[in-house]
Amino acid sequence: ETGVTQSPTHLIKTRGQQVTLRCSSQSGHNTVSWYQQALGQGPQFIFQYYREEENGRGNFPPRFSGLQFPNYSSELNVNALELDDSALYLCASSLSLAGMAYEQYFGPGTRLTVT
Amino acid sequence: AQSVTQLDSHVSVSEGTPVLLRCNYSSSYSPSLFWYVQHPNKGLQLLLKYTSAATLVKGINGFEAEFKKSETSFHLTKPSAHMSDAAEYFCVVSEAGTYKYIFGTGTRLKVLA
Repeated sequence: ETGVTQSPTHLIKTRGQQVTLRCSSQSGHNTVSWYQQALGQGPQFIFQYYREEENGRGNFPPRFSGLQFPNYSSELNVNALELDDSALYLCASSLSLAGMAYEQYFGPGTRLTVT
Repeated sequence: AQSVTQLDSHVSVSEGTPVLLRCNYSSSYSPSLFWYVQHPNKGLQLLLKYTSAATLVKGINGFEAEFKKSETSFHLTKPSAHMSDAAEYFCVVSEAGTYKYIFGTGTRLKVLA
């Protein structure tokens, strides 16, 4: 069974640029959630995707957007990067069935640094 | 609204002594509760979960937690700490059947030789 994978591991961007982060779900999972973890803090929910549609969103501006593909992999896109976007971005996959959401399994994260 | 409070930001124990990491939650409905561990520069690993079955939940690596509705608590314990337990621990609440995890601020566990 393959776990959740994310790419890239690290990247450095300049303020104002755009970035795309990628996530592959664990085998058998159909739901992907994204979280932002700033240094020294707990992860904050960005949004979740189920059946290729956004299924809930946290308190993040529209410049944070995402996609889910038919194979349940996902992308997180951030436009107009700001210094405060520097963080560890975590992807989590889970199984959703009949309105029930089960536990989430996390990838290793992508460390984004904005300069 | 749901929330989680981890009562200690740092806990230090000696190797071989018990571990207690405290978590209180607030939820309007029947919650699902989880503990995750994060080792340095690593992702989050699920230790255990409570989803309205047995109130005493056993997890991996000898950890367990007890759901106490009257105290709105879900404290994590381990009888004997090991050096490899040194990490950041997060308590998480999710309303049953919903999508959103609410994380606590984390407790950093230090294990002294």
